[in-house]
Amino acid sequence: GAGVSQSPSNKVTEKGKDVELRCDPISGHTALYWYRQSLGQGLEFLIYFQGNSAPDKSGLPSDRFSAERTGGSVSTLTIQRTQQEDSAVYLCASSSQTGAGEKLFFGSGTQLSVL
Amino acid sequence: RKEVEQDPGPFNVPEGATVAFNCTYSNSASQSFFWYRQDCRKEPKLLMSVYSSGNEDGRFTAQLNRASQYISLLIRDSKLSDSATYLCVVTTGRRALTFGSGTRLQVQP
Repeated sequence: GAGVSQSPSNKVTEKGKDVELRCDPISGHTALYWYRQSLGQGLEFLIYFQGNSAPDKSGLPSDRFSAERTGGSVSTLTIQRTQQEDSAVYLCASSSQTGAGEKLFFGSGTQLSVL
Repeated sequence: RKEVEQDPGPFNVPEGATVAFNCTYSNSASQSFFWYRQDCRKEPKLLMSVYSSGNEDGRFTAQLNRASQYISLLIRDSKLSDSATYLCVVTTGRRALTFGSGTRLQVQP
């Protein structure tokens, strides 16, 4: 498809387990973002990749969270030793621009439930 | 203080009404401003960019007030389909976009 693709769409896991969330951005988009959204809340920035630059990891809430982007395309967000407070929708977005006029295209998100 | 603040609402308005939302931002160096729309259980989508001179797109008008550090969104002739959460978004430098928590609008028949 032409849009941002995320998988899985839903993930239920037990507390303490590790999870991997995947994002396929729109082809050619150099910028990729991860946000998370808890029920009824706004979007919380996690991490931002732009081209070959070092990622902006300033939003990662703890060292249990990490992300990588291989070959400037697909990205994986990994959460180790999941906790119940990690339950949220994890949204990935990509963009072809940086700075002014930036338009983000979001995927449908991964609903993570930690039991 | 949050970087981007919005009144969460909900704003309940009848069809045909005019409704306005404001959003304040804390960083005077912020450069770009946007309104995104998010339907229930859906991903956010860009509604419109906000330009210094103000801009209009059909029934929607966005304005920026740099001196007071706020942006606004005006919706005229509200439709039922306008019911959604409206997210204010700000960029500062090369940092990722910062989203407000959103203002919920419910247009009633």
